[in-house]
Amino acid sequence: DVKVTQSSRYLVKRTGEKVFLECVQDMDHENMFWYRQDPGLGLRLIYFSYDVKMKEKGDIPEGYSVSREKKERFSLILESASTNQTSMYLCASSPTDGGVTEAFFGQGTRLTVV
Amino acid sequence: AQTVTQSQPEMSVQEAETVTLSCTYDTSENNYYLFWYKQPPSRQMILVIRQEAYKQQNATENRFSVNFQKAAKSFSLKISDSQLGDTAMYFCAFMISYGGSQGNLIFGKGTKLSVKP
Repeated sequence: DVKVTQSSRYLVKRTGEKVFLECVQDMDHENMFWYRQDPGLGLRLIYFSYDVKMKEKGDIPEGYSVSREKKERFSLILESASTNQTSMYLCASSPTDGGVTEAFFGQGTRLTVV
Repeated sequence: AQTVTQSQPEMSVQEAETVTLSCTYDTSENNYYLFWYKQPPSRQMILVIRQEAYKQQNATENRFSVNFQKAAKSFSLKISDSQLGDTAMYFCAFMISYGGSQGNLIFGKGTKLSVKP
């Protein structure tokens, strides 16, 4: 089974802290994504990466950065957490080709910034 | 820019009945995929069904089927014989295919489906 694992299911951080959300996939997928999910807004793309050390901004990159040093790991970084970053964060991965057209998701990290 | 619209924020259905969730999308691309994902209270996003835009035949997966109208840019999901376990958020999503490679998923805002006993 494809597995996408997010390091924390729940996280509480203080305003101004630097926060790291980690995501690891075990299927050798080229593409990895970070989404933010808020009620009534659906999932919005923060950043994605199509290769090691490559990254592309999504729709809402402000206040976030990412790191992809290894193919299997994609980290989301909140440089200085703010209360408006309280949200559910979902990581996903997908292959570039090979006939498998599907993104696989982690279980989500519910982040609360106080 | 690509957009996905789900016009029904919430729906409910009686167990064993049929329900249809609506989705429309906007794109100028020709090669793309459409998806319905389910997110139960456990939060794990699960693929329900997918449709390749170049295929005219509507996709079917057991009790789940789609009505894909390419010209109208419509992609509705029909759930037959609804079960309590179908209670979840349902997201319609769109992905452009770049000559065999894949882009990122663009999601609608979701429809919260409640199946009542």
